[in-house]
Amino acid sequence: DGGITQSPKYLFRKEGQNVTLSCEQNLNHDAMYWYRQDPGQGLRLIYYSQIVNDFQKGDIAEGYSVSREKKESFPLTVTSAQKNPTAFYLCACGGQSNQPQHFGDGTRLSIL
Amino acid sequence: GEDVEQSLFLSVREGDSSVINCTYTDSSSTYLYWYKQEPGAGLQLLTYIFSNMDMKQDQRLTVLLNKKDKHLSLRIADTQTGDSAIYFCAAGGYQKVTFGTGTKLQVIP
Repeated sequence: DGGITQSPKYLFRKEGQNVTLSCEQNLNHDAMYWYRQDPGQGLRLIYYSQIVNDFQKGDIAEGYSVSREKKESFPLTVTSAQKNPTAFYLCACGGQSNQPQHFGDGTRLSIL
Repeated sequence: GEDVEQSLFLSVREGDSSVINCTYTDSSSTYLYWYKQEPGAGLQLLTYIFSNMDMKQDQRLTVLLNKKDKHLSLRIADTQTGDSAIYFCAAGGYQKVTFGTGTKLQVIP
């Protein structure tokens, strides 16, 4: 069954620690995206990648990093430089050639 | 850049119609989307409309687009308690889609 999978569903970070959120898709889409969702603020774009080995900063990239070594995978690292990381993180794929973006079920990150 | 605005909250009685409104600023937006988000879950694509269309109907869902006013609406007929969720409007083109802040729909039994 084709889809987009995020893991883990819940993640806790200690002060000064980097954590990595996983996003995998088997829909064969070239484009992948990371969004951050805070209550009452909708979705804000962190990073996106249109093709393997290439990615672009979104509106709130500071304190985050990504890689795109494989078409299927687009992991997001929340670094210690991100001072307010508590949020719901959503990964999406698609969106090229006017295809709608399809979303994973999200990862909720909290600070210990 | 693109700005997409929605009202934050809508309350309706079960069986009534719900209308969720959205405005956007970029007239070059090619596609307009409606997504549904249930608690703790990702966004589920409900429907989308090309900018050269005025209306699209899909079962209980009707999307109306007024391109002149840059106004999009989603009508849900015979609203059920299972329709309670946050509904996001999104507008965009080839590379980037901008999402609204979401409208929380509360359905009263």
